[in-house]
Amino acid sequence: GAGVSQSPSNKVTEKGKDVELRCDPISGHTALYWYRQRLGQGLEFLIYFQGNSAPDKSGLPSDRFSAERTGESVSTLTIQRTQQEDSAVYLCASSMGLAVYNEQFFGPGTRLTVL
Amino acid sequence: AQSVTQLGSHVSVSEGALVLLRCNYSSSVPPYLFWYVQYPNQGLQLLLKYTSAATLVKGINGFEAEFKKSETSFHLTKPSAHMSDAAEYFCAVRANTGNQFYFGTGTSLTVIP
Repeated sequence: GAGVSQSPSNKVTEKGKDVELRCDPISGHTALYWYRQRLGQGLEFLIYFQGNSAPDKSGLPSDRFSAERTGESVSTLTIQRTQQEDSAVYLCASSMGLAVYNEQFFGPGTRLTVL
Repeated sequence: AQSVTQLGSHVSVSEGALVLLRCNYSSSVPPYLFWYVQYPNQGLQLLLKYTSAATLVKGINGFEAEFKKSETSFHLTKPSAHMSDAAEYFCAVRANTGNQFYFGTGTSLTVIP
C-alpha cells in the first residue's frame, strides 16, 4: 500500500487481557516508531526500530509493553495484562531512515479501550 | 534534552482570518522542526518541515512557518483560514543527533463560519 497501515482500527478489551497491535510501514522505510496518544494529550514516544539495530525501548512505560519488528517490515506492539490507563490511540509511524530531516509518515492509529 | 511547547491548546478563528499557532522549542543547537496536522479520526500528516535550508518554510494547504533562532520559535501561520483547516496541529522537534521526535501537546484549531 501507499501509506502506513495499522490494525485493528479499534480494539475493546477487558482489564487483564493481552492485546496485540499491528503496524505495516511504508515499503522501504527502515525506521519505525510507536507512540501513544491519550485523549487530549500529545504523542508519547514508546519505541523505535531502525533496520537491524537494537530497538530504542526507552519510552515503554512498563514491562507489560513490548514490541517486535520482523526485518524492515511489520511490527507488533503487545500489551500484557491491560489496565484501564492503557486506553489510548496507539500510533505507528515510519521514516526513510537515519537522516534527521526525514519526516515520519503516520498510520491512522489503533484506538484501544480497556474496560 | 529536547522539548516543544505549544502555547494555547485551543485556538478559534473566523473563516478568512489569520491563523497563528505557536511553537517554541528548547535545544542547545538548532534542531529540525516539523508541523503535523491531524484531522478527526485520521493519522498525522506532515504540513511542513525546517531543515536549515531557509528560515521561512512553506507547506501544504497555504501554511507556512518561520524559524526564529533568537526566539527559539517556529510558529505556524496561514493568512486566511478555511473551514477545512479545523484540526489538531502538532509541532515536533528532532535533534541533529538521536532518533527521537519530541511532540508538543497539540493545538486544536476551530474555524468559525
